[in-house]
Amino acid sequence: NAGVMQNPRHLVRRRGQEARLRCSPMKGHSHVYWYRQLPEEGLKFMVYLQKENIIDESGMPKERFSAEFPKEGPSILRIQQVVRGDSAAYFCASSPQGGEQFFGPGTRLTVL
Amino acid sequence: QQQVKQSPQSLIVQKGGISIINCAYENTAFDYFPWYQQFPGKGPALLIAIRPDVSEKKEGRFTISFNKSAKQFSLHIMDSQPGDSATYFCAASRNSNYQLIWGAGTKLIIKP
Repeated sequence: NAGVMQNPRHLVRRRGQEARLRCSPMKGHSHVYWYRQLPEEGLKFMVYLQKENIIDESGMPKERFSAEFPKEGPSILRIQQVVRGDSAAYFCASSPQGGEQFFGPGTRLTVL
Repeated sequence: QQQVKQSPQSLIVQKGGISIINCAYENTAFDYFPWYQQFPGKGPALLIAIRPDVSEKKEGRFTISFNKSAKQFSLHIMDSQPGDSATYFCAASRNSNYQLIWGAGTKLIIKP
């Protein structure tokens, strides 16, 4: 059973471009979470999704950030018009119903 | 009320010694307390977790102690090994299926 997959592992964007981060949950997991980690800090919750539904987006910035988890395919975290402050590691976690969260290897976003 | 405070920020322990990391929380609605281990460039991996109905949980060399009245919990690593060198994060949430609130992390170095 493969773990949580994230791609790309590293992403470089120039200011103003769009960043798309993908997350494929573990088989059988229907819940996906996105977290952001700045260097030398803990993770910060961004959004919690189930298939085709956003359950909690209280940690998402109001502008430029969006997330989806379609019926088919991976979950996508989309950042429009990136700025230098968006540079961070973005982690996706998945869980089964009522279960513990398992994390992917992360996508390290660098904004030039 | 959403914070989880973790200490120390860094810790150096001799091989074979006991590593102790502490966390404190304020939100009494939290009822799930996991510990994660993270190696450089990797995603966090669940180490051990506890719920407030027990005061201690042990898995191999890793033990969580939980003090509900003090709103504190700690991780003890017995017989610490160089391979345990990593960053450790405590977290808390209302249940395992909810957003995790993370401590700032403890960088643990085990000296051979």
